Amino acid sequence: AQSVTQLGSHVSVSEGALVLLRCNYSSSVPPYLFWYVQYPNQGLQLLLKYTTGATLVKGINGFEAEFKKSETSFHLTKPSAHMSDAAEYFCAVKNSGNTPLVFGKGTRLSVIA
Amino acid sequence: KAGVTQTPRYLIKTRGQQVTLSCSPISGHRSVSWYQQTPGQGLQFLFEYFSETQRNKGNFPGRFSGRQFSNSRSEMNVSTLELGDSALYLCASSLGTSGRTGETQYFGPGTRLLVL
Repeated sequence: AQSVTQLGSHVSVSEGALVLLRCNYSSSVPPYLFWYVQYPNQGLQLLLKYTTGATLVKGINGFEAEFKKSETSFHLTKPSAHMSDAAEYFCAVKNSGNTPLVFGKGTRLSVIA
Repeated sequence: KAGVTQTPRYLIKTRGQQVTLSCSPISGHRSVSWYQQTPGQGLQFLFEYFSETQRNKGNFPGRFSGRQFSNSRSEMNVSTLELGDSALYLCASSLGTSGRTGETQYFGPGTRLLVL
């Protein structure tokens, strides 16, 4: 069965600092990997996804993630945090088109001025 | 295109009652999935409907049910509500193409259900 582990339920960074949110997955077949962001009282918005091809994926709002098969990781990064990045971030995995998304527990990102 | 819409946005019910939540997918999307989000359990998959048929089901009791109409709109129903059913219920739609595709699920704003 597929699963997702997000290390750190809460990450705090200073404005302008590097953002690094960690995600490790387990999957018996090559996975599809997603990062979603959730702002308070809203649904989830897709930041980026990896399907096939280039392992470094660029998303919206300056975020990017790198698929590392050998480490079974898909960490999310952003070079410089902005106050508006404060939100909850979810990593998710799926194995095929007809299987459901499996989400990690989420990481709450706080940005300190 | 309009996004995924969910109604109502907020709902308060008492234990033992039943509730029906509605989801309208993005135009052209044929797959609708439902998720329950709670602080303790996170995001958990309830079920997925495609072309009016349930294609996948999560590990929830039979009190949780759903259906999809011919226009792809979906409803989920929870009968005999329990306090633990208090949660944010999220609906997501996608094109629904079959096979090994990494198609994106687009989420609605959710319905926040409070059971007293």
